[in-house]
Amino acid sequence: EDKVVQSPLSLVVHEGDTVTLNCSYEVTNFRSLLWYKQEKKAPTFLFMLTSSGIEKKSGRLSSILDKKELFSILNITATQTGDSAVYLCAVERGSQGNLIFGKGTKLSVKP
Amino acid sequence: EAGVAQSPRYKIIEKRQSVAFWCNPISGHATLYWYQQILGQGPKLLIQFQNNGVVDDSQLPKDRFSAERLKGVDSTLKIQPAKLEDSAVYLCASSLGWGGFNEQFFGPGTRLTVL
Repeated sequence: EDKVVQSPLSLVVHEGDTVTLNCSYEVTNFRSLLWYKQEKKAPTFLFMLTSSGIEKKSGRLSSILDKKELFSILNITATQTGDSAVYLCAVERGSQGNLIFGKGTKLSVKP
Repeated sequence: EAGVAQSPRYKIIEKRQSVAFWCNPISGHATLYWYQQILGQGPKLLIQFQNNGVVDDSQLPKDRFSAERLKGVDSTLKIQPAKLEDSAVYLCASSLGWGGFNEQFFGPGTRLTVL
């Protein structure tokens, strides 16, 4: 059965800390891995990764994929209270492009 | 551009009652998805439409859930009868196409509470 596992499930840090969120997967017919940020409402897209070893960056956020070991990490440097959210990892599979999500990591950034 | 619209935003019903949710995707988006997100879990795909045809409904509990997208635009998701375990946020998403990466844009969701 296809699955996506995220760790940790929750994390509390202070502003300025650096955090690393983990996502491992076992999915047949892998196409891509995506990261989303969810703040009380709809998930918003952060990154899509398809190739191993190529880092994607957006400001203080970065992510990388290892297709051999079947995992991805999302790094957030110099965290701010506005980074508090649930971070979802999803794997796109098959030709239909549907997504299987992990349970998410709830990040709380304290001032 | 306008985002994905959903209504209602909140709904409280008693078990065994029926409920329907509505979704209006981004204009021009051919693919529409309904997800169920139970508290503390990630979204789970219920059904995927390409225009008005079903692409994947393998995880839709068909004995009680139904969905349609009659003119390839708006969609409705119905639960009849509802069970306690149906309490969740129901997210609608749309994308321009499918097969190859097409970013999915999510609506604000409908929070359903079944008492």
